[in-house]
Amino acid sequence: DVKVTQSSRYLVKRTGEKVFLECVQDMDHENMFWYRQDPGLGLRLIYFSYDVKMKEKGDIPEGYSVSREKKERFSLILESASTNQTSMYLCASSSRTGGFSLHFGNGTRLTVT
Amino acid sequence: AQSVTQLDSQVPVFEEAPVELRCNYSSSVSVYLFWYVQYPNQGLQLLLKYLSGSTLVKGINGFEAEFNKSQTSFHLRKPSVHISDTAEYFCAVSENTGFQKLVFGTGTRLLVSP
Repeated sequence: DVKVTQSSRYLVKRTGEKVFLECVQDMDHENMFWYRQDPGLGLRLIYFSYDVKMKEKGDIPEGYSVSREKKERFSLILESASTNQTSMYLCASSSRTGGFSLHFGNGTRLTVT
Repeated sequence: AQSVTQLDSQVPVFEEAPVELRCNYSSSVSVYLFWYVQYPNQGLQLLLKYLSGSTLVKGINGFEAEFNKSQTSFHLRKPSVHISDTAEYFCAVSENTGFQKLVFGTGTRLLVSP
C-alpha cells in the first residue's frame, strides 16, 4: 500500500515564523502535491512537482514555497506565517502511469497565532 | 480552466436509505472525473474514477457514479447507506491532456443517522 507521511499532525506557530511542512512518500511516485483544505472551499492546490527539483505553482501559491531535493520528499515552506494561513494542509503523490489517482497523507492542521 | 460544483454542502439521510451526491463540472476539453472520500481526521481516499469506457463506474464500499457528458455531471450513488458512510465526499476533475492536476469541488458532508 502506498504510504504518504506528513511529519506533523498538529502544528502551532506564531505570526512571522518560518514554517516547514514535510511530506514523504514510499512508492517512488514522480508527482507530488500540496493542497490546502478550508471549510466551504474544498481543496485548493498550492504547488506541485512532477520531478526532483521541479516545481510548478498551483492556484494559490502566494505566501508559500516548496522544495523537492529528493524524489520521495516534498516540503512546503511558509516564509513568514500569517494568521490567514491557518488551515489543514494535505500532501499527495501520484504515479505518471497510475491513472491520475492521488494518494493522500493524513494532513497537518496548522494554527498560526 | 476546469471547475467543479457540488451544490449540496450537507446531505442527511437515514441508514439503509439510498443517496445521491451531485457533481457538475465545467471544462472546454475532455476530462477525467473522480470521487474521493474523507473520514474524520484522515486524508482523502479514492472511491472511484472515470477515465474512459463505460459511463457507469463502480467503486469501493458499494458506491457507483455515472458520467453524463451532455449534462456535464458525475453524480455519486449508493442504494443503501450505512452509518460508517458518514464522511465528506469530494468530486474532482482533471483535463485529460497534459499534467495530472486535479481540481476539487467544495465537498458534500454525508450524515447517516440510525
